[in-house]
Amino acid sequence: NAGVTQTPKFQVLKTGQSMTLQCAQDMNHNSMYWYRQDPGMGLRLIYYSASEGTTDKGEVPNGYNVSRLNKREFSLRLESAAPSQTSVYFCASSEAGYRRSSYNEQFFGPGTRLTVL
Amino acid sequence: AQSVTQPDIHITVSEGASLELRCNYSYGATPYLFWYVQSPGQGLQLLLKYFSGDTLVQGIKGFEAEFKRSQSSFNLRKPSVHWSDAAEYFCAVGPRSGTYKYIFGTGTRLKVLA
Repeated sequence: NAGVTQTPKFQVLKTGQSMTLQCAQDMNHNSMYWYRQDPGMGLRLIYYSASEGTTDKGEVPNGYNVSRLNKREFSLRLESAAPSQTSVYFCASSEAGYRRSSYNEQFFGPGTRLTVL
Repeated sequence: AQSVTQPDIHITVSEGASLELRCNYSYGATPYLFWYVQSPGQGLQLLLKYFSGDTLVQGIKGFEAEFKRSQSSFNLRKPSVHWSDAAEYFCAVGPRSGTYKYIFGTGTRLKVLA
């Protein structure tokens, strides 16, 4: 099992460009998450999907959109990148179900390091 | 408001010394508690977790953590630190029901002196 995979690993964008970060998990997890990590700020939740077909905003959703394509895949889109979106982006998944409590840990991908010039 | 506090941004210890990383949380009920480790350039790896039962939990790489309800704390410990333990450590809480959000602390960066 590959666990949680993310593509690309690195990306440099110019201000105003768009891009999609891809995430896939092969653990049959219901819930998937997108975080950004900035120095001194820990992980901040951008969006999450409790189950296939649902998405919800997290702590810092502005400037981002997400798509839960199927149970395996959860993508994050930057429509018009800004320098403030320079960060490391992590995708995670967990076994938390729509009607079950989040009693299991999250599994993280290796991250995407994004620089917006 | 729900929150996780890791009061120490940086900690430096000598190899072979003991280690304790602090974590305090604010939550309406007893949450699920986690410690993750992140090596440079890597994703987060779970060290250990607490759901219920014995308040002293053992994890991987020789780490342990103790849940203290009265202090709302979940401190991470290791009796003897190895140079390979240099990394960033994150405490997190997860909900037992309702929302599916996990809340992370801001992390503690550990430096190990040879």
